[in-house]
Amino acid sequence: AQSVAQPEDQVNVAEGNPLTVKCTYSVSGNPYLFWYVQYPNRGLQFLLKYITGDNLVKGSYGFEAEFNKSQTSFHLKKPSALVSDSALYFCAVTAPTGANNLFFGTGTRLTVIP
Amino acid sequence: EADIYQTPRYLVIGTGKKITLECSQTMGHDKMYWYQQDPGMELHLIHYSYGVNSTEKGDLSSESTVSRIRTEHFPLTLESARPSHTSQYLCASSDNGGGTTQPQHFGDGTRLSIL
Repeated sequence: AQSVAQPEDQVNVAEGNPLTVKCTYSVSGNPYLFWYVQYPNRGLQFLLKYITGDNLVKGSYGFEAEFNKSQTSFHLKKPSALVSDSALYFCAVTAPTGANNLFFGTGTRLTVIP
Repeated sequence: EADIYQTPRYLVIGTGKKITLECSQTMGHDKMYWYQQDPGMELHLIHYSYGVNSTEKGDLSSESTVSRIRTEHFPLTLESARPSHTSQYLCASSDNGGGTTQPQHFGDGTRLSIL
């Protein structure tokens, strides 16, 4: 069975500093991993995904994520945080076969302090 | 921005009423999904569809029902609303090509409050 853990409910970072939002996963076989962002009163927006290949994937708005198979992690990163990055971030996993059902983490609220 | 639309955005209604939440997408996606999300919390899949006349229940048990008569339309119905149905409902769709590699595109949700 697939599952995702986001160990931090809340992450605070100063504007201009690097940010990391953590995600670990459990899946049978090779994982397909996704990051989404949710702003207040909006749906989720896709940021980036890892399917195969280079462990470092780049996505929207300057975000990137590093896939680490040995640690079963897929942490979201950005070199320099903006106040506008403040939002709720979700990591999600699915498997290559079967239903295309995403399993979401519990979300991490990122607050960037001016 | 993804072309997936949900109406209404907000609905406050009394117990016992029949409710239909609308979801439409203009991307021609075969796969569509309904999630339930309490504010600021994780998403739970309640229904999904792989195409016309295909519907399946998700991981979270729900008293709602869905239909998929047209590719672009995936409405969710509650026959008799109860306060326990108060939540946010998010609709999503994804392209069938590429198997499970395709990201899901989300609507802005319907926030439902049952009095």
